[in-house]
Amino acid sequence: AQSVSQHNHHVILSEAASLELGCNYSYGGTVNLFWYVQYPGQHLQLLLKYFSGDPLVKGIKGFEAEFIKSKFSFNLRKPSVQWSDTAEYFCAVSLTGGGNKLTFGTGTQLKVEL
Amino acid sequence: GAGVSQSPSNKVTEKGKDVELRCDPISGHTALYWYRQSLGQGLEFLIYFQGNSAPDKSGLPSDRFSAERTGGSVSTLTIQRTQQEDSAVYLCASSLALGGNQPQHFGDGTRLSIL
Repeated sequence: AQSVSQHNHHVILSEAASLELGCNYSYGGTVNLFWYVQYPGQHLQLLLKYFSGDPLVKGIKGFEAEFIKSKFSFNLRKPSVQWSDTAEYFCAVSLTGGGNKLTFGTGTQLKVEL
Repeated sequence: GAGVSQSPSNKVTEKGKDVELRCDPISGHTALYWYRQSLGQGLEFLIYFQGNSAPDKSGLPSDRFSAERTGGSVSTLTIQRTQQEDSAVYLCASSLALGGNQPQHFGDGTRLSIL
């Protein structure tokens, strides 16, 4: 069965610091990759997605992620975080032709301090 | 426009009781999904519906769990004879179609607590 690993469970950064959250998946087939964010008290929202083409994808609010097929990774990055980026971040994978059901990582709780 | 709507937002019930959770997807979205978010298990897929096709029930944890989708729109997730391990946030999502390139839009969830 496919699985998704997020190695950082809790991350604390100061404003303006750079962010990189790791995501690795275990599946050798063709996958679709997503990062979702859940701000405090809000529902899950899509940050960005990768289906095909350019492995560097840009999402909302200055986030980007790079798909490295050889490493089965899809790490999330942001050059300079803001206090408002405090949230929980989830990496998710679906299989092409697999009905679009998402397998999620365990999430990374990001706290940005002023 | 309106997003995915779930009700109730919170539900507290006694062990052994049945509960029904409701999801109203975004208008025009043909695919509907249920997930569960719990402390020990993270976010888990439960079931999805696509149009008139048979649902994929592969994520349902036991036969106490069932779901239906009437008229291709509203869905109800039913848990019979609830157990304490059923306590979780139940999330519903919808997408335009079933293809892997269709992002899913999530509701606010129903927080279920079993006493």
